[in-house]
Amino acid sequence: DGGITQSPKYLFRKEGQNVTLSCEQNLNHDAMYWYRQDPGQGLRLIYYSQIVNDFQKGDIAEGYSVSREKKESFPLTVTSAQKNPTAFYLCASSAKGGWYEQYFGPGTRLTVT
Amino acid sequence: EDKVVQSPLSLVVHEGDTVTLNCSYEVTNFRSLLWYKQEKKAPTFLFMLTSSGIEKKSGRLSSILDKKELFSILNITATQTGDSAVYLCAVVLRTSGGTSYGKLTFGQGTILTVHP
Repeated sequence: DGGITQSPKYLFRKEGQNVTLSCEQNLNHDAMYWYRQDPGQGLRLIYYSQIVNDFQKGDIAEGYSVSREKKESFPLTVTSAQKNPTAFYLCASSAKGGWYEQYFGPGTRLTVT
Repeated sequence: EDKVVQSPLSLVVHEGDTVTLNCSYEVTNFRSLLWYKQEKKAPTFLFMLTSSGIEKKSGRLSSILDKKELFSILNITATQTGDSAVYLCAVVLRTSGGTSYGKLTFGQGTILTVHP
């Protein structure tokens, strides 16, 4: 089955630790995105990548980092510099030219205490 | 600053009712507006609207865009409990190069609850 997988579903970390969220897609999509969702604020774009080895900051990139070494994978690292990391993180992808239809993964809920 | 605002933030109705969800935007270089449904986790795509006045329809759901007044509405007729979800509106912006690369700006979402 084609789709986007995110792991883990739930993640708990202590303050001050870096944590990496996984996102893999087998849709052969060129573009991938990371969003953060907080209650009452909709989705906010963290980073996006159009092609391998290239990515751009979104609206709230501070405290996050990404890499795009393979077309299928776009991991997100939440660093200790992120002030409020507890949130629901969604990964998405879209085909080149099909930018309007972004397919979303099931999300990872990160809790930092 | 680009802004997308949805209203109401939450809505509770009974099965069979008709609902209208609103999405207004203030953005530079508008390209299109999208509606998504989010039930538990992953948002699923509903509609893309690019031109004013052309209604998009899928079963009991329909949507229309007004580019002059800068808003869109999503209508759901004869609601069912399965329509309970968060409905998200997002705007795609045109970049300076003329392409948009799928960078979406989302509204806060409308939480719809349909009681039997």
